[in-house]
Parts: sequence; structure tokens; C-alpha cells
Amino acid sequence: DAGVTQSPTHLIKTRGQHVTLRCSPISGHKSVSWYQQVLGQGPQFIFQYYEKEERGRGNFPDRFSARQFPNYSSELNVNALLLGDSALYLCASSLAPTSAGDTQYFGPGTRLTVL
Amino acid sequence: QKEVEQNSGPLSVPEGAIASLNCTYSDRGSQSFFWYRQYSGKSPELIMSIYSNGDKEDGRFTAQLNKASQYVSLLIRDSQPSDSATYLCAERSGGFKTIFGAGTRLFVKA
Repeated sequence: DAGVTQSPTHLIKTRGQHVTLRCSPISGHKSVSWYQQVLGQGPQFIFQYYEKEERGRGNFPDRFSARQFPNYSSELNVNALLLGDSALYLCASSLAPTSAGDTQYFGPGTRLTVL
Repeated sequence: QKEVEQNSGPLSVPEGAIASLNCTYSDRGSQSFFWYRQYSGKSPELIMSIYSNGDKEDGRFTAQLNKASQYVSLLIRDSQPSDSATYLCAERSGGFKTIFGAGTRLFVKA
């Protein structure tokens, strides 16, 4: 079975631009979470979607938005890019986050560089 | 502010030794705990999850949870150079948010 897939792998943008990152979860998984990881730090939680609804949001500005589609894939959008948005963006999928035993599996990530 | 604390390392151990990685968390309501391994430039991969007090073993890995002390650890037996990576501790307190520590870098010397 295919794991979590993300596209694109790498992306270079300039300040002020907009970016859309995409994620397809493991087959059968209904939850997708997005994380930002800067060098030397652990992943920082941005959003979690479950059954196409936003269920959790981290401490990120409104420039960050996301959505989940009927097939459970997801997009993360970032507007008005800043240099500080340069990071590895990770998508993780899981079966059912309402269960204490639910486990997240990560995709390969999208490396975003803002110049 | 819920936090997960890890020693950033680097932790250096000789090949064949036991590597001990530690993690503390601040939220007493945390229910689920996870250890991920992350190689440089790659995404995190799940090693183990643990939900109950005590030990959980999987091959060369043993996770230990002590909820009273708010402490989680990971032991790696017979450490190999291929175990050299950053180890991330994470917790979830029942909501829709998983909090990660900054990670501990492990070096296994051949």
C-alpha cells in the first residue's frame, strides 16, 4: 500500500507570494494533519482535519489555511509568504484521531524556500 | 502552554551499547506518547507508541512511561551506526493536537 504522499517535493518562492501544498493520506485514513518543521526543531502543529472538518489549529497566523476534500486529501495554503516560512512542511495521516490509540504516519514532506 | 522537553544532545554511544533517550511533558492529561526517528533531510518515522504506565518492547526498542513523573523514555539495545538520527518524542492529550519535542540527536560510533 502507498504511504502518505506530498507534492511538490521542493518549492522556491519569493516574499509575498502564495503557495499551495498537497497531501494524500494512506488509503482508509480519514484524518490529515499539517506540521511545520524548521531546522533544529521538532514539528510544530498547524492544522488537523478529520472527516473534512477542521478539528485543531496551532498557533499560526491567518495567512495559513487548509482544507480537506471528499477523498480525504488535503491542501495547505500560505499567503503573503515571509522569509520565516521557509521550512519543511509535513503532512501526517491517521485513521481516527478520536481514539487514544490513533497513530500518525508522516509523508516525505515539502521543502519550502522563501527568498 | 503544553510542552515536551528533550535533551538536544548529541548523545554519543559506542556500537553495541544501550542508548537511553529521555523526554518529559507538562500536560498531566496526556494520554498517548510516541517516539519517532528522523534521519537528516527526511521525514519522521514512527518507532513506537505507548499509552499505559510501564514498559513496552519491540525488537531492540523499549519505551517506558511513568505518568506520575510525567516521563517517557526510549531505550535502544545493541545500538548500530544506522541508529544515528534525531529521535522525537511526542504526546497527545486526547484532543486533535500532537505536540513534539525538539528531538535528541544520537550518534552511534562504529
